[in-house]
Amino acid sequence: EAQVTQNPRYLITVTGKKLTVTCSQNMNHEYMSWYRQDPGLGLRQIYYSMNVEVTDKGDVPEGYKVSRKEKRNFPLILESPSPNQTSLYFCASSLGGGRFEQYFGPGTRLTVT
Amino acid sequence: GNSVTQMEGPVTLSEEAFLTINCTYTATGYPSLFWYVQYPGEGLQLLLKATKADDKGSNKGFEATYRKETTSFHLEKGSVQVSDSAVYFCALIINDYKLSFGAGTTVTVRA
Repeated sequence: EAQVTQNPRYLITVTGKKLTVTCSQNMNHEYMSWYRQDPGLGLRQIYYSMNVEVTDKGDVPEGYKVSRKEKRNFPLILESPSPNQTSLYFCASSLGGGRFEQYFGPGTRLTVT
Repeated sequence: GNSVTQMEGPVTLSEEAFLTINCTYTATGYPSLFWYVQYPGEGLQLLLKATKADDKGSNKGFEATYRKETTSFHLEKGSVQVSDSAVYFCALIINDYKLSFGAGTTVTVRA
């Protein structure tokens, strides 16, 4: 089954404790992206990757890191999480960029206390 | 910069009612426009899209027409069902890599 998976689905952590949210897709997509969803703000793009080893900032990259060492994986790293990063996070992938249909993962709900 | 403005929700309707969700955009250049839908507890799914002026996207009884003169892409459905209860997002893209989403409109359909 074609899908985007994220882990963990739920995470409660404390300020400053480094964490990684994994994202994996099995569709051989070149493009992957991370978004955060906050009430009243919709989805905002954090980082995106056009292909292996090629990443770029979205609209809200501060406090986040990404890497794309393999085509299928695109982890999101929070080196020192803060409460304002409490949010619902989505990973997405597509064939070749945003003009193509993006396939979204199920989401990761992160709470930073 | 590029931006999308959606009508604020929540919207509550009875089954078989007509649904309209307004979406207007600001963009430099010629964007592609999308409607994504998020069902409870799930990620977003593409509902429909349009890539140039006067294009009409349609899917599952929903329609939206790309109106360049009014910079709009309003979503419509003639007869909603309870299963259409979801959050609907309008989005645009100019280059190939950065999508801009609206704030989302929550729609609840009552039986």
